[in-house]
Amino acid sequence: GENVEQHPSTLSVQEGDSAVIKCTYSDSASNYFPWYKQELGKRPQLIIDIRSNVGEKKDQRIAVTLNKTAKHFSLHITETQPEDSAVYFCAPIKAAGNKLTFGGGTRVLVKP
Amino acid sequence: NAGVMQNPRHLVRRRGQEARLRCSPMKGHSHVYWYRQLPEEGLKFMVYLQKENIIDESGMPKERFSAEFPKEGPSILRIQQVVRGDSAAYFCASSRTSGLEGTQYFGPGTRLLVL
Repeated sequence: GENVEQHPSTLSVQEGDSAVIKCTYSDSASNYFPWYKQELGKRPQLIIDIRSNVGEKKDQRIAVTLNKTAKHFSLHITETQPEDSAVYFCAPIKAAGNKLTFGGGTRVLVKP
Repeated sequence: NAGVMQNPRHLVRRRGQEARLRCSPMKGHSHVYWYRQLPEEGLKFMVYLQKENIIDESGMPKERFSAEFPKEGPSILRIQQVVRGDSAAYFCASSRTSGLEGTQYFGPGTRLLVL
């Protein structure tokens, strides 16, 4: 099955700085790469996703970059704000299946 | 447009009792997925269902756990004879289609506590 790892597991940044989280996966058949944000006690929310025919996607302060050759993709948050504090999960998915395999999560703390 | 609904939001059971968790997908979605999240851990896939069919149950424990998604009504995750280790947050997600276009949207979860 898919082996998914996230780094770092915790990340503390000063408000206004950038945060980068990396997700590596093992299954070269993966073709869809979402990032979910989960605040304490809340549901996971899709914040950005990318498909394998695209190398980069940006949505305001959030961007995702994909390196299919190296089998990793990254979440970039610029100009971080306290409300960005949450746990972030990557969940690469195979083209033919729907089972999301989540990484272990990255706890991001934005200090005001 | 209502999102994915789950009830109850919190459920307390004593060891040996049964727990029934319900999930109503978003309007127009016919694919439902159940995930379990233990405290301080990530989400683990349990089962994927379409209307009246179980598509993938590779993440379901072999005993005590079952899931259904009938033609009418919500999907139900049923845990029989609960044990303390079943205490977790159970999230369901739904999607309109399968495959690459099947973006999953999550419900608020049911937090099960087994005493």
